[in-house]
Amino acid sequence: DAGVIQSPRHEVTEMGQEVTLRCKPISGHNSLFWYRQTMMRGLELLIYFNNNVPIDDSGMPEDRFSAKMPNASFSTLKIQPSEPRDSAVYFCASSPRGQGIGGYTFGSGTRLTVV
Amino acid sequence: GDSVTQMEGPVTLSEEAFLTINCTYTATGYPSLFWYVQYPGEGLQLLLKATKADDKGSNKGFEATYRKETTSFHLEKGSVQVSDSAVYFCALSPNDKIIFGKGTRLHILP
Repeated sequence: DAGVIQSPRHEVTEMGQEVTLRCKPISGHNSLFWYRQTMMRGLELLIYFNNNVPIDDSGMPEDRFSAKMPNASFSTLKIQPSEPRDSAVYFCASSPRGQGIGGYTFGSGTRLTVV
Repeated sequence: GDSVTQMEGPVTLSEEAFLTINCTYTATGYPSLFWYVQYPGEGLQLLLKATKADDKGSNKGFEATYRKETTSFHLEKGSVQVSDSAVYFCALSPNDKIIFGKGTRLHILP
């Protein structure tokens, strides 16, 4: 099992540019989560999907952020336009449906730096 | 809303010392409770969990007991090793999603 795969591992971009982060969940996992990690705010849940449908996007900071899950094996998180305060590590996690009770598997994260 | 509060770090201990990292929670209902560990440059990994009151989760020498009366889930280990240096997150899950504490960085000195 390859685990949750995120790409890229590192991204450096200029303010105002569009950034797309990618995630491939574990095959058979029905739930997918996007988290953002910063020193100031810790881990924040941005959005999560069940069976490719967004369930809760209340954590998405503003309209510049959008997430999609076109199929069970792929999800994207897009920031357009990016700002320096978006600099953080973004994690994707997946779990079998109804397994919030510890069934999460995290990817290694994407470290985003907006200059 | 549901939340988790854990002790601020960093926590610095010598090898073989006893470890306690405090965690308390606020939740309606009866959530499941977890400890996750994050090693440098990696994502979070589940360390242990407990799904109901008085349950004890354990793994790799770490333990935590779900205390409903004190709404706590403190992490303990009797003898820490240098390899235990990492960031530890307490978390709760009232439903499909997990709410994390801010993390406690642990440094173990040889």
